[in-house]
Amino acid sequence: DTEVTQTPKHLVMGMTNKKSLKCEQHMGHRAMYWYKQKAKKPPELMFVYSYEKLSINESVPSRFSPECPNSSLLNLHLHALQPEDSALYLCASSQQAGYEQYFGPGTRLTVT
Amino acid sequence: RKEVEQDPGPFNVPEGATVAFNCTYSNSASQSFFWYRQDCRKEPKLLMSVYSSGNEDGRFTAQLNRASQYISLLIRDSKLSDSATYLCVVNVFMDSNYQLIWGAGTKLIIKP
Repeated sequence: DTEVTQTPKHLVMGMTNKKSLKCEQHMGHRAMYWYKQKAKKPPELMFVYSYEKLSINESVPSRFSPECPNSSLLNLHLHALQPEDSALYLCASSQQAGYEQYFGPGTRLTVT
Repeated sequence: RKEVEQDPGPFNVPEGATVAFNCTYSNSASQSFFWYRQDCRKEPKLLMSVYSSGNEDGRFTAQLNRASQYISLLIRDSKLSDSATYLCVVNVFMDSNYQLIWGAGTKLIIKP
């Protein structure tokens, strides 16, 4: 079963709100990823966790804060976002870093 | 030069035809390669992985040419359901991490 789940599916938030995106996988994968995708563009890597440690942070603004509570879960905490942060946020996992990635359905975020 | 380049298309192809896309990459140390398909407003789905010279799965064939640094994807007997954006992804080991570099994608439209 190559399933990655994400909640919520849709999220509308104001610029002063704090919210969290959640991602879960039960495939025993040891690498997990957050991507941001704008319309008609490829996914843009934000963060990589490998064995529950943050290994890559692609110069993402501090208003995005990742957290990996355990090997199955990945959170993305959002605070004081800007309208340009509106996008599809995708979570992915892979057996290890560099292997095939399997994506969740994404959270469509709108910042008003 | 972009690290991973794809013709954005769109490729307009009649149903039943054979279509081929190329993807060129700049880093000769690239280790593995992937093709993903992405439907509009959906997450990317893994189509094929390429670790050696190529891979075949039903109507889909991926071929790797390391000397010329490109990967191709061939779709035979195309179906209406093959309409999607096809993303080429290259795995590179750099800065002590494995990183997946994404192409911008090629849009395919299969016409009845």
